Formats: sequence, C-alpha cells, structure tokens
Amino acid sequence: AQSVTQPDIHITVSEGASLELRCNYSYGATPYLFWYVQSPGQGLQLLLKYFSGDTLVQGIKGFEAEFKRSQSSFNLRKPSVHWSDAAEYFCAVGTNQAGTALIFGKGTTLSVSS
Amino acid sequence: DGGITQSPKYLFRKEGQNVTLSCEQNLNHDAMYWYRQDPGQGLRLIYYSQIVNDFQKGDIAEGYSVSREKKESFPLTVTSAQKNPTAFYLCASSLQGFLDEQFFGPGTRLTVL
Repeated sequence: AQSVTQPDIHITVSEGASLELRCNYSYGATPYLFWYVQSPGQGLQLLLKYFSGDTLVQGIKGFEAEFKRSQSSFNLRKPSVHWSDAAEYFCAVGTNQAGTALIFGKGTTLSVSS
Repeated sequence: DGGITQSPKYLFRKEGQNVTLSCEQNLNHDAMYWYRQDPGQGLRLIYYSQIVNDFQKGDIAEGYSVSREKKESFPLTVTSAQKNPTAFYLCASSLQGFLDEQFFGPGTRLTVL
C-alpha cells in the first residue's frame, strides 16, 4: 500500500521569498503524485500532478514540483510567495490499480508574513 | 457555472440523530467521493462511487451510509452509529476515477451537540 508524509506541519515564509514544501511517498511501483491547496474553510483545488515524463512539472498559480525517485520525494516550490498563497497544502499519492484511492498527507499550513 | 455544491455549510445535530449531507455536481462526472477532514489528519475517504447505483466503502465507512441514485447527486448520511461525527466533510467529483483531477465542494461543518 502507498503512503505519503509531509514532514512540516506549519511553515512561515516572508512575502516575496521562495517556498519549498516537502512531500515523501512510499510505494513500490511508479506513483501518481498530486499537490492540492485548500484555503480556509474551503474545498481543495488541484495545483499540479505527476504521472510520468518530465520530472519537473508546472502547475497553476506559479507553482512547480519535482519528482525525485531516488529520494521518494515530490517537493512543491514557488520562487516568490504572495500573501494570497497562505493556505494548507496537501500532497497525495495514487496508483494505477483500479479502485485504489488517493492517499493524502496530513497537510502543511503555510503562513505568509509581510 | 459548473461545479459542486454542498449544503448546508454548517450543521448541528444532537447525539443519537441521523443527519444527511447534500452533494450535487453539474460537471457530468462519473465519480464522486466523500472525505472527512479533522485538524492535522488530512483527508480520509468515507465512500466513493464511480457509477450510478454503485458505491464502495473507503477507509472510514463505519457509521456512514450513501446512495447514488442520480449521476449528479451523492448524499451522505451520518448515522447515530458514528461515534465521533463532529468534523468537516468534503464532497468531490472527478471525470472517472481517482487519478483524474478531483473537484471539491466548499464543505459542510458538522457539529454534534
């Protein structure tokens, strides 16, 4: 079974600074990886996903993530954070086995300071 | 506009009562999902449905029930058997399955008094 870990519960970044949110997964075969973002009291929105191919994937809102198989990681990055990026971020892992649900990490809360 | 609606946004119930949370989508998606979110716990899957009149249990189905009589609707009933029902409940849908982008509703916060 697959699993996902987000080591950082809460991160604070200054506005305009760069951001990296960590995600580590465990799965024996090729994982399908996702990053979702949740604004307070709202549902989640997909930022980006990785299935195969180029290990650097671009998403919405200026986010990108890099798949590193050797490190079992799929870290989310943004070169310059805006105050509106303050939210909770969830990494998720899936498989291509029929009926296998996505497994979500416990989330990282991002605060942006001025 | 296409999307997912959940109602109500806030719900209060007394212990021992069943309560039904509504979820409707007009995205023409085949798959629908119910998740429970607790602080610091991420999302946990309660039930999912990939086709009308069929649904499957997720990781924490005990104390919950669902129906999928129409493609656009997937209501969740929280029964009195659910021992700790106070939580934020999220409904989602996707084109066919888990690997398709999931679109989420705004959620229902259920509080048991």
